[in-house]
Amino acid sequence: QITLKESGPTLVKPTQTLTLTCTFSGFSFNTRGVGVAWIRQPPGKALEWLAVIYWDDDKRYSPSLKSRLTITKDTSKNQVVLTMTNMNPVDTATYYCAHRTVTTPRQDYWGQGTLVTVSS
Amino acid sequence: QSALTQPASVSGSPGQSITISCTGTSSDVGAYNYVSWYQQHPGKAPKLMIYDVTNRPSGVSNRFSGSKSGNTASLTISGLQAEDEADYYCSSYTTSSTSVFGGGTKLTVL
Repeated sequence: QITLKESGPTLVKPTQTLTLTCTFSGFSFNTRGVGVAWIRQPPGKALEWLAVIYWDDDKRYSPSLKSRLTITKDTSKNQVVLTMTNMNPVDTATYYCAHRTVTTPRQDYWGQGTLVTVSS
Repeated sequence: QSALTQPASVSGSPGQSITISCTGTSSDVGAYNYVSWYQQHPGKAPKLMIYDVTNRPSGVSNRFSGSKSGNTASLTISGLQAEDEADYYCSSYTTSSTSVFGGGTKLTVL
């Protein structure tokens, strides 16, 4: 059974760096093809794909946010960390992590999401 | 990359069929057969309904089906039920090896 859960601050100040952790179970980065993606959703708005990291440490970022994002993994802890620099109120959103595979690039299992508010 | 284009809203009566379109470009929807569809109820995480244009994950009703022609993909829901009322998002793999979502469609069951 695959599960994922996001954790991190609920409130960050403008210009600060956001660090979110996705802790998962039911799969491992030791398995070829495995990946974890991050997606966000501002209140009342659409989903936005952010980044993905794969078992072989290949990383892909949304072109519009690439300069602000870093995605890393800790295979031994079954965790993926996303950092986003220079946070702005428009970055207020629910942030989701999701399981993904390289063979069929879909997000098939999702975490519950974590709401991050950017405000001074 | 720009978001895929979806109608903001669609509606239908119970028992009817509806179709939601998702228009992209030759760099995403038109490039691969890697279009997926997600259902999202208020306050909930998205749920995968269709992947690789036409495939349904285990447990998803066969009332949900997908198709693609050129740069436009479609999700059809037949035999509409009240529980189908939700937001629906399409997503596509891109030639940059990233993904992109659509703007979302609110389905209202009348």
